[in-house]
Amino acid sequence: DAKTTQPPSMDCAEGRAANLPCNHSTISGNEYVYWYRQIHSQGPQYIIHGLKNNETNEMASLIITEDRKSSTLILPHATLRDTAVYYCIVRVGGTDKLIFGTGTRLQVFP
Amino acid sequence: NAGVMQNPRHLVRRRGQEARLRCSPMKGHSHVYWYRQLPEEGLKFMVYLQKENIIDESGMPKERFSAEFPKEGPSILRIQQVVRGDSAAYFCASSPPATGGYEQYFGPGTRLTVT
Repeated sequence: DAKTTQPPSMDCAEGRAANLPCNHSTISGNEYVYWYRQIHSQGPQYIIHGLKNNETNEMASLIITEDRKSSTLILPHATLRDTAVYYCIVRVGGTDKLIFGTGTRLQVFP
Repeated sequence: NAGVMQNPRHLVRRRGQEARLRCSPMKGHSHVYWYRQLPEEGLKFMVYLQKENIIDESGMPKERFSAEFPKEGPSILRIQQVVRGDSAAYFCASSPPATGGYEQYFGPGTRLTVT
């Protein structure tokens, strides 16, 4: 079973920041937080991951709380092409398998 | 650097036939994972392989399904005697041979339809 809890759906206006929350209260010390997204029926796309510190890349920012029990994925300027299902996953890292939950369906509207 | 490649992209089989799905990992990646996505559902892990070894097959159905990743060539997911319930999208992912927080890169998937 997935170790994360996400809201089933969210809306965001184009150009605004999309903040997607994730709860992972049972996360272990050696588990990373990963975010993937799936646009329509394409293959999942890696977005970002982190262990303890906040992370930023060209796609998004990841904010992890100090107790690591929750995190937020931030898309700073959402576009229509960001409409997708976003999955928050915790895993040991390295070669561990990904366990997908139900994710958050983000709808970006004009 | 080409991404993960899967073929065929679409496959139609009649009940009772065999389906063979192929996955070529990214260059330099020696770890391959297979996931299945049933219609209107999330992705489910099936099997994790390294070259010539099955590492974790905890998500594979007990019968009719098998996977291999030979020393040379692509990884193959084989489904024997397909049934309608096997209709799904099958995704392959690969990752490099390293420890730590490394991501998996996914292919475009093979959509299997059993008629």
